[in-house]
Amino acid sequence: DTGVSQNPRHKITKRGQNVTFRCDPISEHNRLYWYRQTLGQGPEFLTYFQNEAQLEKSRLLSDRFSAERPKGSFSTLEIQRTEQGDSAMYLCASTVSGGRNSIYGYTFGSGTRLTVV
Amino acid sequence: SQQGEEDPQALSIQEGENATMNCSYKTSINNLQWYRQNSGRGLVHLILIRSNEREKHSGRLRVTLDTSKKSSSLLITASRAADTASYFCATGGSWGKLQFGAGTQVVVTP
Repeated sequence: DTGVSQNPRHKITKRGQNVTFRCDPISEHNRLYWYRQTLGQGPEFLTYFQNEAQLEKSRLLSDRFSAERPKGSFSTLEIQRTEQGDSAMYLCASTVSGGRNSIYGYTFGSGTRLTVV
Repeated sequence: SQQGEEDPQALSIQEGENATMNCSYKTSINNLQWYRQNSGRGLVHLILIRSNEREKHSGRLRVTLDTSKKSSSLLITASRAADTASYFCATGGSWGKLQFGAGTQVVVTP
């Protein structure tokens, strides 16, 4: 494993189009997180998975956003009918869970920068 | 909304000097972590301190945690130009979800 991989690195789309991003986590990591980051701000939590189960979704994740993690491996984040306000860096991170109180740092991917024009 | 607030927002120092940044948070935590982000890249995990710990060291990094004041500090000693980056604190509860602050932008000039 070379780390968390995100594709594409950059995406420019027209308003109203649908986009899909992919994240390949470190293979032994069972937890996967999606964050969104705008310029000058810290990452904002969107959603996370433990294996294939989506355990929490932020209120930031409107009905136009959907995330999946089939088979508990890679994950996709889809944005439908994109708006200019969706322009941001979308970050994926993974970590390993040893139980409720296990605490480990995240490994982040390099992100997908989305520009909606 | 973001849990943590870093202070200062920006810091400019010369190589060899120490850099100190602070993080304050609002709710009780399980752990606090610090991350570094170079421009346009993903975040890199630096150090994790648990709520029952008061101080931790890793190389040139020193982190303190004061849960009574809901604050933490990150000290980078003998800074280098390569330390130029944004630094974020992140607080974690159970289940590993982290909430990040807005970050401190550090510039180290040769």
